[in-house]
Amino acid sequence: DTGVSQDPRHKITKRGQNVTFRCDPISEHNRLYWYRQTLGQGPEFLTYFQNEAQLEKSRLLSDRFSAERPKGSFSTLEIQRTEQGDSAMYLCASSSRSDTQYFGPGTRLTVL
Amino acid sequence: GENVEQHPSTLSVQEGDSAVIKCTYSDSASNYFPWYKQELGKRPQLIIDIRSNVGEKKDQRIAVTLNKTAKHFSLHITETQPEDSAVYFCAASVGGATNKLIFGTGTLLAVQP
Repeated sequence: DTGVSQDPRHKITKRGQNVTFRCDPISEHNRLYWYRQTLGQGPEFLTYFQNEAQLEKSRLLSDRFSAERPKGSFSTLEIQRTEQGDSAMYLCASSSRSDTQYFGPGTRLTVL
Repeated sequence: GENVEQHPSTLSVQEGDSAVIKCTYSDSASNYFPWYKQELGKRPQLIIDIRSNVGEKKDQRIAVTLNKTAKHFSLHITETQPEDSAVYFCAASVGGATNKLIFGTGTLLAVQP
């Protein structure tokens, strides 16, 4: 499968724990995006990488959230001290120089 | 701030009928407008997109129209089939280098056989 992949697909955690998600973009795509989607809503932009540089972060992204893209390949999104309001689907998308963004299957986070 | 409104939120049609979903956007610098189809528990999948230098684009049973003056764009699906049932999201790129997408709230399309 040469599409965007994400791991894990599901994560259940207790409030206060830290979690980390991984995204592997389509090979040679230099642009990578993280979005968050809650039930009944469209995806909301969280952050953007061009190669290894994080160029934009949404105001939605509190200090508990951090993302990295070392070497401009895969990316990780970490949430520290999780809260129940963090429960959502976390989607990763990648694109090349064109506008088209291809989404991964998402990581569904449930915070108990 | 940037915003995309989408209507209707739910749409039920008979198999073979047409379906139309409408979106408006606020950022006059937006120049790219994709439509995604999302089935329950699955990833959003791009079905068609249009750029601001084009007024209409068609791909088999799916077409999209764009009115830049009015800042609105629409998805048209003809000869609907039960497998078209899903949630459809419109989106608009935000002006700037990131090309991040602002999504509408989605339309749940149900095609009745």
